[in-house]
Amino acid sequence: EAEVAQSPRYKITEKSQAVAFWCDPISGHATLYWYRQILGQGPELLVQFQDESVVDDSQLPKDRFSAERLKGVDSTLKIQPAELGDSAMYLCASSPPEGLKETQYFGPGTRLLVL
Amino acid sequence: RKEVEQDPGPFNVPEGATVAFNCTYSNSASQSFFWYRQDCRKEPKLLMSVYSSGNEDGRFTAQLNRASQYISLLIRDSKLSDSATYLCVVTRGWGKLQFGAGTQVVVTP
Repeated sequence: EAEVAQSPRYKITEKSQAVAFWCDPISGHATLYWYRQILGQGPELLVQFQDESVVDDSQLPKDRFSAERLKGVDSTLKIQPAELGDSAMYLCASSPPEGLKETQYFGPGTRLLVL
Repeated sequence: RKEVEQDPGPFNVPEGATVAFNCTYSNSASQSFFWYRQDCRKEPKLLMSVYSSGNEDGRFTAQLNRASQYISLLIRDSKLSDSATYLCVVTRGWGKLQFGAGTQVVVTP
């Protein structure tokens, strides 16, 4: 069964450092999402891509966060500089081109701890 | 007010018992509704969609009440493997999922 791949699975960094997360969606999935999930809360959408274009980044803290999907396949989410409050799980999801966009398939996530 | 609200629990349920919990949503324009399941330290996975007429999937029954803006999930004959956090999800538009904070269910032997 095809899966969304993410790396790294865990990341510990110090505040003010830069971190980057990578996501490879299920092959053929044109829509890619990055979510942040703080402990005890539900996932919150940070950015949505359709192919290589950003569809929604209204909740992305653009002063420190950036996301790209240059070739419309895999994607990178970057934080620079990291802050203590960025400690969370970062989830990537993708959805197929047809059918309900609500059918999103999540990757295993990257757990970030900022010290 | 949060757009999607859930009782965080935990709901402690003896194995074999029935448990039910609700979720309320504030946006009356919400279009689609889902329950996702999230195991500890894992990613969310779609459990089931919620239809206006109500629907079942094995031991799981979901109901939607648009007038009162709530969704429910009932689990019958609870198994130990049902222990998880159940996330209520509503959509506000094309692919835009809005998650609740989750309801934790703990099934005990």
